[in-house]
Amino acid sequence: EAGVVQSPRYKIIEKKQPVAFWCNPISGHNTLYWYLQNLGQGPELLIRYENEEAVDDSQLPKDRFSAERLKGVDSTLKIQPAELGDSAVYLCASSQNWRDNEQFFGPGTRLTVL
Amino acid sequence: AQRVTQPEKLLSVFKGAPVELKCNYSYSGSPELFWYVQYSRQRLQLLLRHISRESIKGFTADLNKGETSFHLKKPFAQEEDSAMYYCALSGRQGAQKLVFGQGTRLTINP
Repeated sequence: EAGVVQSPRYKIIEKKQPVAFWCNPISGHNTLYWYLQNLGQGPELLIRYENEEAVDDSQLPKDRFSAERLKGVDSTLKIQPAELGDSAVYLCASSQNWRDNEQFFGPGTRLTVL
Repeated sequence: AQRVTQPEKLLSVFKGAPVELKCNYSYSGSPELFWYVQYSRQRLQLLLRHISRESIKGFTADLNKGETSFHLKKPFAQEEDSAMYYCALSGRQGAQKLVFGQGTRLTINP
């Protein structure tokens, strides 16, 4: 089993440009999470999905960040426009269902904004 | 407020020596506590969770509600234990967000 898949693994863009990250969770996992990890810090939740519904997006900066999980499987996280401070690792995780707290993480996308 | 504190950013011990990575938390209610580990060039993965009461790779962690701590311990460190370790908590009611500490980089010297 491949585990949680994320792409791209690395992305370098100039400020004010848009960027998108893609995540494919483990098959059968209904809950999907996007975390932001700044250098030297632990991950912080951006948004959590139960199937296609965003059930916790309180930490998502909605002026520039958006996310979707249209069919309750894959998810996309977008930033538009990117700022220098968005440089970080963006992690996707999934868990089997609402009863299970064990989360499985993807390899992350390292974003550099110049 | 939910918070996890790992007071040591870096910890270095010799092979065969005991290891203790500290974790303190604040949470109103009964949280579930986890230790996640990230080896070099690998993804973040679960090491152990307090409800399992297991010993994984020789590591154990006991939840001390009085001291609000969940320290990770291993009696004899091995070189392959070198990694980044994160303590995390969540609520117990099903799938919820993890709140992570800032992590401790453990280095085992030969």
